[in-house]
Amino acid sequence: QSALTQPASVSGSPGQSITISCTGTSNDVGSYNYVSWYQQHPGKAPKVMIYDVSNRPSGVSNRFSGSKSGNTASLTISGLQPEDEADYYCSSYTSTNTLEIFGGGTKLTVL
Amino acid sequence: EAQLVESGGGLVQPGGSLRLSCAASGFTFGSHSMNWVRQAPGKGLEWISYISSDPNNIKYADSVKGRFTISRDNAKNTLYLQMNSLRDEDTAVYYCARRALVGKFDPWGQGTLVTVSS
Repeated sequence: QSALTQPASVSGSPGQSITISCTGTSNDVGSYNYVSWYQQHPGKAPKVMIYDVSNRPSGVSNRFSGSKSGNTASLTISGLQPEDEADYYCSSYTSTNTLEIFGGGTKLTVL
Repeated sequence: EAQLVESGGGLVQPGGSLRLSCAASGFTFGSHSMNWVRQAPGKGLEWISYISSDPNNIKYADSVKGRFTISRDNAKNTLYLQMNSLRDEDTAVYYCARRALVGKFDPWGQGTLVTVSS
């Protein structure tokens, strides 16, 4: 099964807002509200930023928000800060043999 | 604070075997389902296996089915991944992560590197 589709890279200046898209199919993103977003800094383990489409774990800044429309989920980061520079991965539950499918990852550069 | 620590990675020849461990602390390990997720060098994340808390429900990605075996010892608060018939494409950092059938992977361990090469 193919990975969820994310842009390879996005960039923004400090203080700006950016949005990362994550496109799947009716087997995953389109049918289930189990989309998560993970932040990964180089050499570190992923960290959950958003789960169940739009829920934020305790301790995660409210500058991070998630949404979904049809087969596409989105992560928005407002008020960009230098420490937001990282790779971001979306994931979704899937009805196929694979329990969970990830996106290919998006490298966020804070200019 | 919930914490996971993987161990057991290393260099192995194609066709070889390796067993990874994931030690859990800071939460009631026996009440939670667990997963293994891997990341090939410079690549994205790939879910590979799930085990329920009891552990009667087990799932595998097609890429490892028949070669990898997930298990757990709730008395020792430890998750395992037995990897047999290893291939070059199994080279990756292997992470354990807590998660039910659905929802967020949280927390993650720091990862252990498995390199399959002759």
